[in-house]
Amino acid sequence: SFELTQPPSVSVSPGQTASITCSGDNLGEKYTSWYQQKPGQSPTLVIFQHRKRPSGIPERFSGSNSGNTATLTISGTQAVDEADYYCQAWDSSTVVFGGGTKLTVL
Amino acid sequence: QVQLVHSGAEMKKPGASVKVSCKASGYAFTDYYMHWVRQAPGQGLEWMGWIIPRSGGTKYAQKFQGRVTMTRDTSISTAYMELSRLRSDDTAVYFCVRDRDRWELLYVFDYWGQGTLVTVSS
Repeated sequence: SFELTQPPSVSVSPGQTASITCSGDNLGEKYTSWYQQKPGQSPTLVIFQHRKRPSGIPERFSGSNSGNTATLTISGTQAVDEADYYCQAWDSSTVVFGGGTKLTVL
Repeated sequence: QVQLVHSGAEMKKPGASVKVSCKASGYAFTDYYMHWVRQAPGQGLEWMGWIIPRSGGTKYAQKFQGRVTMTRDTSISTAYMELSRLRSDDTAVYFCVRDRDRWELLYVFDYWGQGTLVTVSS
């Protein structure tokens, strides 16, 4: 079955660039989305179809996808970006989420 | 503005069923696929399936086949998710989630409800 793998945690200093990876077989051939979830809140879509940003999402969020890996990049990371991040894709009409990455801004 | 409002928290015993509702507003309810996603306490996200309200057509994740039923009432713009034969590991927050584009199944989840906590315990 199709699986997506994320690192459990990533740390970044304020103002620096955070990169969160998501790996899966032939992921580059599948549209990938990314969701941000803060404690006690519902997830929020931050990137879809590899690199598109919904309206209202800051430009510091960007996405890329190549080979077996999708990457969410947050440039100039702010304290408000501290959250869990989930990648998501679909294959054979089934949706799969990555296990999530806790981003710590310290 | 788009809003998805869930029914309240539920507490059920193992073996029982639960039906969660999600009332939509601010958009054409019948024209967008609605998904259900759950999240166990402290865990990740798990997709359960979708329903297209216009026709009532559904697709369920294999894991939930035979236990989940997704329905809708277009007259009140409400989607429902019923899960039967509940087990303790079904304890989770259940979210209804709208797909992004009208008419299309993109598997892009742009609006999320606040979720309904279902607790399964004897």
